[in-house]
Amino acid sequence: EDQVTQSPEALRLQEGESSSLNCSYTVSGLRGLFWYRQDPGKGPEFLFTLYSAGEEKEKERLKATLTKKESFLHITAPKPEDSATYLCAVQASEMKTSYDKVIFGPGTSLSVIP
Amino acid sequence: DSGVTQTPKHLITATGQRVTLRCSPRSGDLSVYWYQQSLDQGLQFLIQYYNGEERAKGNILERFSAQQFPDLHSELNLSSLELGDSALYFCASSVGLALDEQFFGPGTRLTVL
Repeated sequence: EDQVTQSPEALRLQEGESSSLNCSYTVSGLRGLFWYRQDPGKGPEFLFTLYSAGEEKEKERLKATLTKKESFLHITAPKPEDSATYLCAVQASEMKTSYDKVIFGPGTSLSVIP
Repeated sequence: DSGVTQTPKHLITATGQRVTLRCSPRSGDLSVYWYQQSLDQGLQFLIQYYNGEERAKGNILERFSAQQFPDLHSELNLSSLELGDSALYFCASSVGLALDEQFFGPGTRLTVL
């Protein structure tokens, strides 16, 4: 069964304490893996796209990496304003139909304490 | 401001009713996506349109339908509403077919009483 899981469910960090969030996926025909940030009551904000294993992308304190089975979002020296829910999603081709499938993970809620 | 607009912002209706949610994509974006987000289900992809054609489909109920018009705005129609349909409905847009550089609107909060 196609699935996207994220761990941990919630993470609490002290300001400046680096850590990583995990996104594991089991899909075939991966077209891309995407990371988003979502603040409460707002729409997700696009962060990164990763297309193939070994690819890395960076933006300020965030770095996303991709392997064949999972992706990591590394947060270096986080600040309180990095507090949000981080979502990953995969887009994959569907063998039986002409449609792509899109699956979001449940998210990791990150709190950064000053 | 992402440039994606959604109306209405809030909608309160009764079970069994039908509602229409509207989305205007960012200028130049050809793809429109619809999502449902509830507390217990997380963000669920419903459907994608690209330049007027249905391109990807998620867990969209048969009671729900969508379309994208020639001016690229999109509407999501929800009928025979149930209590469980109460959720935030997001629209997003992107230039191409892939999810990257996808910009989300502020959402429509639907409450079914």
